[in-house]
Amino acid sequence: DGGITQSPKYLFRKEGQNVTLSCEQNLNHDAMYWYRQDPGQGLRLIYYSQIVNDFQKGDIAEGYSVSREKKESFPLTVTSAQKNPTAFYLCASRNMNTGELFFGEGSRLTVL
Amino acid sequence: GQNIDQPTEMTATEGAIVQINCTYQTSGFNGLFWYQQHAGEAPTFLSYNVLDGLEEKGRFSSFLSRSKGYSYLLLKELQMKDSASYLCAVRGLTGANNLFFGTGTRLTVIP
Repeated sequence: DGGITQSPKYLFRKEGQNVTLSCEQNLNHDAMYWYRQDPGQGLRLIYYSQIVNDFQKGDIAEGYSVSREKKESFPLTVTSAQKNPTAFYLCASRNMNTGELFFGEGSRLTVL
Repeated sequence: GQNIDQPTEMTATEGAIVQINCTYQTSGFNGLFWYQQHAGEAPTFLSYNVLDGLEEKGRFSSFLSRSKGYSYLLLKELQMKDSASYLCAVRGLTGANNLFFGTGTRLTVIP
């Protein structure tokens, strides 16, 4: 079945460590997104990529980095510069015809 | 800028009808989406409105008025499994056509 796979589902990190969240899609979508979700807040856009080898900062890009070397993959690195990284992270890809976003199952990061 | 408002929480009774409102103020508009999200899970697509009017899909309907910057999601014959957060998202007119999300409405269905 086509879809988006995020891993790991749960991740614990010590302060000062970088961590990379994986996102893979087999929907043949060009555009991919990373959102952060915190309690009581809407989804906030971290980074997005409309095409391979190109990506743009979203509203809260500080402390994060991404790469888009393949159409299927859009990994997110949470660096030690991110001051409050504990959150639920959602990856999505978009059907360019309908505009609909398809989401992965999410990765919950906890900084100890 | 973008501003999307939804009620934070709602409670309704099993079998009843509930309406979740969403108002928006955006610099450009290219459609409005509703997503359902159960706790700790991914949001799933419910509906999409780009023209004024009502879109019906089974027990769920969504309404849009572009002149008023207003949408609602109507859930009929509520079931316990409908307890979830409902996210309103507006698609902008920028080159990226990104979606801007409201904070979501947490609906609790009680027996």
